Amino acid sequence: DAGVTQSPTHLIKTRGQHVTLRCSPISGHKSVSWYQQVLGQGPQFIFQYYEKEERGRGNFPDRFSARQFPNYSSELNVNALLLGDSALYLCASSLEPGQIINEQFFGPGTRLTVL
Amino acid sequence: SQQGEEDPQALSIQEGENATMNCSYKTSINNLQWYRQNSGRGLVHLILIRSNEREKHSGRLRVTLDTSKKSSSLLITASRAADTASYFCATGRGYSTLTFGKGTMLLVSP
Repeated sequence: DAGVTQSPTHLIKTRGQHVTLRCSPISGHKSVSWYQQVLGQGPQFIFQYYEKEERGRGNFPDRFSARQFPNYSSELNVNALLLGDSALYLCASSLEPGQIINEQFFGPGTRLTVL
Repeated sequence: SQQGEEDPQALSIQEGENATMNCSYKTSINNLQWYRQNSGRGLVHLILIRSNEREKHSGRLRVTLDTSKKSSSLLITASRAADTASYFCATGRGYSTLTFGKGTMLLVSP
């Protein structure tokens, strides 16, 4: 079975541009979460979606947005890119959210470089 | 903001030795998980321990959780060069969001 897939693998953009990152969860998983990992730091939670609805949002500006499609895949959009947005963007899928957390499976990430 | 703090930030050992990493967190949790990351790529889930558990084993891994001290430890026994990676603890509360620490970078030399 395929794991979580993300595209593209690498991306180079310039300041002010926008970017769309894509994630396909493991088959049968309905929840997708996005994380940003800046070099030398741990991942920081950006969004969680379940059944196409936003279930959680981290402390990120409105330039960051996301959505989930009927097939449970997801897109993360970042507008007006800043140098500080350079990071590894990780997508994780899980069966469904709940009080007792399900294991999250992470994709390989998209490395975004903003010049 | 980071919830957990791993200690030490970096650890260098020889193959065959044990490696111990610690994690402290600040708020109440439902569970705590440990992940491994190789060379800045995706995270691999190692083990999950629930808040009502005190110790858990998985192969060469042993995790302890002390909710009164808000701390956890990860022990890797008989380490191998392939264990070289960054290790993160992550706490879960509520939905499936995870709050990660800054990680411990482990180097295992042959």
